[in-house]
Amino acid sequence: DIVMTQTPLSSPVTLGQPASISCRSSQSLVHRDGNTYLSWLQQRPGQPPRLLIYKISNRFSGVPDRFSGSGAGTDFTLKISRVEAEDVGVYYCMQATQFPRTFGQGTKVEIK
Amino acid sequence: EVQLVESGGGLVQPGGSLRLSCVASEFTFSRYWMSWVRQAPGKGLEWVANIKEDGSEKHYVDSVEGRFTISRDNAKNALYLQMNSLRTEDTAVYFCARGDNPNYWGQGTLVTVSS
Repeated sequence: DIVMTQTPLSSPVTLGQPASISCRSSQSLVHRDGNTYLSWLQQRPGQPPRLLIYKISNRFSGVPDRFSGSGAGTDFTLKISRVEAEDVGVYYCMQATQFPRTFGQGTKVEIK
Repeated sequence: EVQLVESGGGLVQPGGSLRLSCVASEFTFSRYWMSWVRQAPGKGLEWVANIKEDGSEKHYVDSVEGRFTISRDNAKNALYLQMNSLRTEDTAVYFCARGDNPNYWGQGTLVTVSS
């Protein structure tokens, strides 16, 4: 199974300041079809997960442009350019390149 | 707007069975892979299973293989998860999600396995 490792596990940030989360996979996430199926999801307290980014860097419908994704191969990053109060929650990376699909442990973003 | 509504959760004894349902609306259900993902209390997300658009392909995480069965009824816009031989470690909120790379999620249904 592909292991997804996120760092940090907790990220206290100041409102208006940037935040960055790293996700590393134990194997390359490049699929045989040439795509890299790495997504980022946000889970606000008491809510189901919400897709933010798919295939490394594509923002899903309705996601603010302060969220961006980057990376390649085994190393990926989610960045929030200016953290807002509504961004508090847990962020997960997920790979859909190989079965079983796997998630990172989650990174808790909270306001300082 | 895409809607996914899960039901069927509850309290069950170890070794028991439960069938979860997920009814979809506001999109063409038969055109999408569908997934089940679970979250144990206070823990992270764990992918459980998914199923191809026509039901011809199914995949499971090892820990549920042979005990859980995913299925769908495209005429009813419904996704199911039959869970047998339940264990205490299966206790979780079970989410139904659209897509192999899930882009819409239901609110989840809580399954508690306890004596």
